[in-house]
Amino acid sequence: AQSVTQPDIHITVSEGASLELRCNYSYGATPYLFWYVQSPGQGLQLLLKYFSGDTLVQGIKGFEAEFKRSQSSFNLRKPSVHWSDAAEYFCAVGANAGNMLTFGGGTRLMVKP
Amino acid sequence: DAGVTQSPTHLIKTRGQHVTLRCSPISGHKSVSWYQQVLGQGPQFIFQYYEKEERGRGNFPDRFSARQFPNYSSELNVNALLLGDSALYLCASSQAVSSYNEQFFGPGTRLTVL
Repeated sequence: AQSVTQPDIHITVSEGASLELRCNYSYGATPYLFWYVQSPGQGLQLLLKYFSGDTLVQGIKGFEAEFKRSQSSFNLRKPSVHWSDAAEYFCAVGANAGNMLTFGGGTRLMVKP
Repeated sequence: DAGVTQSPTHLIKTRGQHVTLRCSPISGHKSVSWYQQVLGQGPQFIFQYYEKEERGRGNFPDRFSARQFPNYSSELNVNALLLGDSALYLCASSQAVSSYNEQFFGPGTRLTVL
């Protein structure tokens, strides 16, 4: 069975600082990996996805993520955080057949002025 | 174009009651999925429907059921509500059921069971 672990429940960074959110997955085959963001009172918005090819993927809002098969990781990064980035971030893995997603527990990001 | 819409936004029920949640997908999308998000946790997959047929079911009891209509809208039904069913219920739509097809999520229905 597939699973996703996000080791950090809460992270606080200063505005303008760099950010890295960790994600580890367990999946028997080639994973389909996603990062979503959820702001209060809103649904999930897709930031980026990895299916194959270049292991560094670019997403919206200046985010990027790197797939490392040897470490079973798909960490999300941003070089300079803005106050509007404060939200909850979810890493997810999708099955080869069908697009049912398995989500991690989420990381809540707080941004200090 | 309108995104995924869900109704109602909030509702409060008591234990043992039944609830129906509704979802309208993005125009042209034929697949609808339902997820349960308990406070402080990530969403958990409940059901996926494509072209009115169930394509996937998560690890939820038989009290949970769903269906998809000819216009691709969907209902999630929960019988004999328990306190633990209190959660945000998210609906997502996509054009098809491959992982290549991005899922677009609605704002959710907040269910409180007292």
